[in-house]
Amino acid sequence: DGGITQSPKYLFRKEGQNVTLSCEQNLNHDAMYWYRQDPGQGLRLIYYSQIVNDFQKGDIAEGYSVSREKKESFPLTVTSAQKNPTAFYLCASSTRTRQETQYFGPGTRLLVL
Amino acid sequence: AQRVTQPEKLLSVFKGAPVELKCNYSYSGSPELFWYVQYSRQRLQLLLRHISRESIKGFTADLNKGETSFHLKKPFAQEEDSAMYYCALLTGGGNKLTFGTGTQLKVEL
Repeated sequence: DGGITQSPKYLFRKEGQNVTLSCEQNLNHDAMYWYRQDPGQGLRLIYYSQIVNDFQKGDIAEGYSVSREKKESFPLTVTSAQKNPTAFYLCASSTRTRQETQYFGPGTRLLVL
Repeated sequence: AQRVTQPEKLLSVFKGAPVELKCNYSYSGSPELFWYVQYSRQRLQLLLRHISRESIKGFTADLNKGETSFHLKKPFAQEEDSAMYYCALLTGGGNKLTFGTGTQLKVEL
């Protein structure tokens, strides 16, 4: 099923390396979100964007960066400043008028070598 | 600050038994609450929202502002209800969701 896609499914990061997770949607949604999912901690918001060329920090933005150059795309970069990057990362999108109804991607699992 | 609390990490019930997944919230504004569900090998998806007062797959949830709760209930659990359930609160002026830590529901035969 399409809609919102994330790649890769698994990503390995070496110490000190920046890595970028891809998120693409063809739902014509204005708003997009990045969450981090850790066991026992639920979903925590990293960054979100309500419109192209604009984004806001979520609850745990330190060590991450994003860009929103196109409506369809919202890539997340995990920088070397993120000391504990091993997690499952979920991307989501929604319309601006119904931001409670978020459509999620399949996720990317990031592992540190 | 807003917060969503789901006190149970795991809830195990027998098929046909009633289910109640607990959710409490802390929010200074007018709360809008939702339940999301993630079945095995499927994506996280919206299950129901309090404002629509609907029953989805036999589940209902009532917002109790006095107790600041939004518990998810089903009178008779089915095996296919086994999943991870997240309670979520709309915050940030309606721009984002704050999720709880989730409850894994396991329905046993």
